Amino acid sequence: GENVEQHPSTLSVQEGDSAVIKCTYSDSASNYFPWYKQELGKGPQLIIDIRSNVGEKKDQRIAVTLNKTAKHFSLHITETQPEDSAVYFCAAGSGQNFVFGPGTRLSVLP
Amino acid sequence: NAGVTQTPKFQVLKTGQSMTLQCAQDMNHNSMYWYRQDPGMGLRLIYYSASEGTTDKGEVPNGYNVSRLNKREFSLRLESAAPSQTSVYFCASSLQGAGTEAFFGQGTRLTVV
Repeated sequence: GENVEQHPSTLSVQEGDSAVIKCTYSDSASNYFPWYKQELGKGPQLIIDIRSNVGEKKDQRIAVTLNKTAKHFSLHITETQPEDSAVYFCAAGSGQNFVFGPGTRLSVLP
Repeated sequence: NAGVTQTPKFQVLKTGQSMTLQCAQDMNHNSMYWYRQDPGMGLRLIYYSASEGTTDKGEVPNGYNVSRLNKREFSLRLESAAPSQTSVYFCASSLQGAGTEAFFGQGTRLTVV
């Protein structure tokens, strides 16, 4: 079955700097790659997603890139702000199931 | 529009007790999911339902049962709770499987003592 790895597990950046989180997946049949943000005490919420027929997608300060050949995708957050502090999960979707990475705890230091 | 609603939010059980976690969505989604979240392990799929009347096992189904009562509701039952089932449980739904956005509930924090 699908296996999703995510790095780093924790990431601290200064406010205004960029943050990058990387994920790899194993199943070439996966075709949907969402990123979720989870704030303390809440459920995960979608922040951006990308499909396998697209290499890059951007939404304001957030961008995601996908390399199907290498089976990896990355989340890029520019101009980080304190409210970006949260746990971020990548996922790979195929058919009926999503498989999630273990998460990255991002801390944005003022 | 409430999205995905889970009850209860918190629960403490004694080993061997049973309970049912309730989940309802009002987005007319076909697919529903139950995940458990443990520190450092992300979200692991317990069971899912691709459509009303169907359920399938996920990665960690042992010790759990589910019921897709109708299109809106998907419940998770622990028949005989064990300390290893202490976790945060999330229900989610998506319009049509894993190619569409999944919406999550607020979670149920379950402690088994």
